Amino acid sequence: DVKVTQSSRYLVKRTGEKVFLECVQDMDHENMFWYRQDPGLGLRLIYFSYDVKMKEKGDIPEGYSVSREKKERFSLILESASTNQTSMYLCASSYQAGGEQFFGPGTRLTVL
Amino acid sequence: QQQVKQSPQSLIVQKGGISIINCAYENTAFDYFPWYQQFPGKGPALLIAIRPDVSEKKEGRFTISFNKSAKQFSLHIMDSQPGDSATYFCAARGSGGYNKLIFGAGTRLAVHP
Repeated sequence: DVKVTQSSRYLVKRTGEKVFLECVQDMDHENMFWYRQDPGLGLRLIYFSYDVKMKEKGDIPEGYSVSREKKERFSLILESASTNQTSMYLCASSYQAGGEQFFGPGTRLTVL
Repeated sequence: QQQVKQSPQSLIVQKGGISIINCAYENTAFDYFPWYQQFPGKGPALLIAIRPDVSEKKEGRFTISFNKSAKQFSLHIMDSQPGDSATYFCAARGSGGYNKLIFGAGTRLAVHP
């Protein structure tokens, strides 16, 4: 059974803190993604990676960075968290570019 | 050009009724249109998908209707059940470059017993 896991289900941080969200997939997928989900806005792509150490900006990369040192792990970093980054963060992976994406359960981040 | 517009934002249907969710797009180069289903506390999961060379695809109670000339596609859920209550996202695969998925805003469906 394919699986994408995210390090935390719920996270509360203070404004200005550095935040790490971790994602691990066990399907040997080349492609990994970070989205944020907000009511009425759907899923918006923050960053994606199509290979180890490769990364590409999505539609809303401002205020975020990513790291992919190993194929199975893709990290999202908020360098200095702000209240407008309070959201649900979803990680996904896929075998083919543009193919079916498998999502993790999400991390609900609250920045106070 | 790269947007997918989804409606309605929320939908209430009685058990046994038909749920219909609509999506529209502008970019004629989109080549793959999936629907994802998300239950509370879970990540989205692929439900059904269609390519623009067919007008309809059916899987059980779920049907995608695709109108290429109108640049619209819709999800129909026949005989809707309370277990279908979830958020549904349409998406389109972008053209050129990496071919990433572009998602609609989502529709929260509630099926009442």
